[in-house]
Amino acid sequence: DTGVSQNPRHKITKRGQNVTFRCDPISEHNRLYWYRQTLGQGPEFLTYFQNEAQLEKSRLLSDRFSAERPKGSFSTLEIQRTEQGDSAMYLCASSLGTRSQETQYFGPGTRLLVL
Amino acid sequence: EDQVTQSPEALRLQEGESSSLNCSYTVSGLRGLFWYRQDPGKGPEFLFTLYSAGEEKEKERLKATLTKKESFLHITAPKPEDSATYLCAVQAWDAGGGNKLTFGTGTQLKVEL
Repeated sequence: DTGVSQNPRHKITKRGQNVTFRCDPISEHNRLYWYRQTLGQGPEFLTYFQNEAQLEKSRLLSDRFSAERPKGSFSTLEIQRTEQGDSAMYLCASSLGTRSQETQYFGPGTRLLVL
Repeated sequence: EDQVTQSPEALRLQEGESSSLNCSYTVSGLRGLFWYRQDPGKGPEFLFTLYSAGEEKEKERLKATLTKKESFLHITAPKPEDSATYLCAVQAWDAGGGNKLTFGTGTQLKVEL
């Protein structure tokens, strides 16, 4: 399977703990995105990488959130000192961006529950 | 700020009963409008991209159309396996080079036998 993969698929943690999620994009895709989705809502943009450079961050991304994409391959999203409001599905998407068009392909998501 | 509104929020159809889902949008400059299908507990699955008013795309029982203010996803003779949440998203031309998608809240479709 050459699609976007995410690990873990589910994570349950206690408030105040740190968690880290991993995303492996489709090979050769140079762009990688993180979104967050809560029940009954559409995905909301968090941050975006082109190769290894983090080019945009949403104001939704508080100081407790950090993302990396070393060497422009896989990416990690870390949440420090988790809060109950962080409970959501965290989605990763990748694309092969061209000047005229870009389609983002999503992974299966990581569902986070903060107790 | 880019905005996407989808209607209806939920739709229940009998098998074979055709209908349309609506996506209204406001965006500074439309780079692309995207339709995704999402099954419970899974990530969105790409369906279509539309780039300019008047464009249409088809895939099996689905047909997407685009005007300057809205997009429609037409479902012809739906089957129970078409049951899912259908998400609409826009991508704007951004002077800063951003490529994020702005999503609506989706239409939850249920097709019954």
